Amino acid sequence: AQSVSQHNHHVILSEAASLELGCNYSYGGTVNLFWYVQYPGQHLQLLLKYFSGDPLVKGIKGFEAEFIKSKFSFNLRKPSVQWSDTAEYFCAVCGRSSGSARQLTFGSGTQLTVLP
Amino acid sequence: NAGVMQNPRHLVRRRGQEARLRCSPMKGHSHVYWYRQLPEEGLKFMVYLQKENIIDESGMPKERFSAEFPKEGPSILRIQQVVRGDSAAYFCASSPRQRQGETQYFGPGTRLLVL
Repeated sequence: AQSVSQHNHHVILSEAASLELGCNYSYGGTVNLFWYVQYPGQHLQLLLKYFSGDPLVKGIKGFEAEFIKSKFSFNLRKPSVQWSDTAEYFCAVCGRSSGSARQLTFGSGTQLTVLP
Repeated sequence: NAGVMQNPRHLVRRRGQEARLRCSPMKGHSHVYWYRQLPEEGLKFMVYLQKENIIDESGMPKERFSAEFPKEGPSILRIQQVVRGDSAAYFCASSPRQRQGETQYFGPGTRLLVL
């Protein structure tokens, strides 16, 4: 069974600070990886995704993530956060084997609060 | 640009009643997924449907829960005889194609509260 672990439940940063949110997954095969964001009162939106190729993926709003296969990790980064980045961030994995090709497995989420 | 629509956004039920949650996928999407988010937890997969077919229901509780996606109309997640433990946010997502890892687009969710 696949699982996703997000290390930090709540992160508090000041504006302009750098951000790194950890994500590790457990799965015995090839995976697709996603980061979703949920702004207050809004629905989940896709930030970025990794399917194959360059392990450094760039997403919207200046976010990027790096897939490190040897560490089973897909950490999310942003060099300088803004107050508007306050949201909950979810890492998710989708296995590519036929039995699990469809379902996303989510981490428990990281609440990011950016102080102005 | 109509996204995934869910209604109602909030639903209050007493123990033993039935809850019906509706999901209209994005235009052109024929694949629907339901997820449940319990307090302080991540989203958990429940069921994956295509039009008139349940493809994967491995995450559905064995009793009281059912889902359908008819040829016409929205997908319905039905919970019979609700209990307090069913209180959660229920999210629907849709995708357009069968490609591996196709992005799923999420609706705003239905918050179910069982009194």
